[in-house]
Amino acid sequence: EVQLLESGGDLVQPGGSLRLSCAASGFTFSSYAMSWVRRAPGKGLEWLSAISDRGDYIYYADSVKGRFTISRDNSRNTLYLQMSSLRAEDTALYYCAKHLVRGEWYFDLWGRGTLVIVSS
Amino acid sequence: EVVLTQSPGTLSLSPGERATLACRASQSVASSKLAWYRQRAGQAPSLLISGASSRATGIPDRISGSESGSGTDFTLTISRLEPEDFAVYYCQQYDGRHPTFGQGTKVEIK
Repeated sequence: EVQLLESGGDLVQPGGSLRLSCAASGFTFSSYAMSWVRRAPGKGLEWLSAISDRGDYIYYADSVKGRFTISRDNSRNTLYLQMSSLRAEDTALYYCAKHLVRGEWYFDLWGRGTLVIVSS
Repeated sequence: EVVLTQSPGTLSLSPGERATLACRASQSVASSKLAWYRQRAGQAPSLLISGASSRATGIPDRISGSESGSGTDFTLTISRLEPEDFAVYYCQQYDGRHPTFGQGTKVEIK
């Protein structure tokens, strides 16, 4: 089955760190760029970061630049998001998403998300 | 940053009725680089439309996308609402390496 499965979400204190994982299955993970997207409570979707198929090109939204790091391990079919200096406004459901077409930034496959709560 | 504004915020309709959802961009979206997604409660978002009007694999032809104006006004139309269509819909522009989403339109059962 073609799917993405996020994990690693948790309750964390402000200023803390967390690493999210996204396990891919059912498709050739190493052939596709991937992104992280989040949805904060009561808000819409926000794109956070993208990584190319080989991991040599990386992009971030200004809201997370310098605090979050995206990476991937193609041998393990897994995408990661290392989050540090977490703030209350980072509280959200975090999704990983697969880019459909090389060079195009829309997504044909999403996971169900993992919940991150930043609170003391 | 391209800001997308979706309207209405909530649409209350009955099964079988027609739904028209709007998405307006703060500046022109080049090459019709606009996508639509549906997110049912508790599920992952799913791609409906890309390129403003191209249906994704498996999407029925009662769901259609269109563009009007100078690359700033987009519409998603569901001609006859089925039970599975009651969900939240998001538009997304991908003109450049900073994609942005609208805030969503909820289609609820009247």
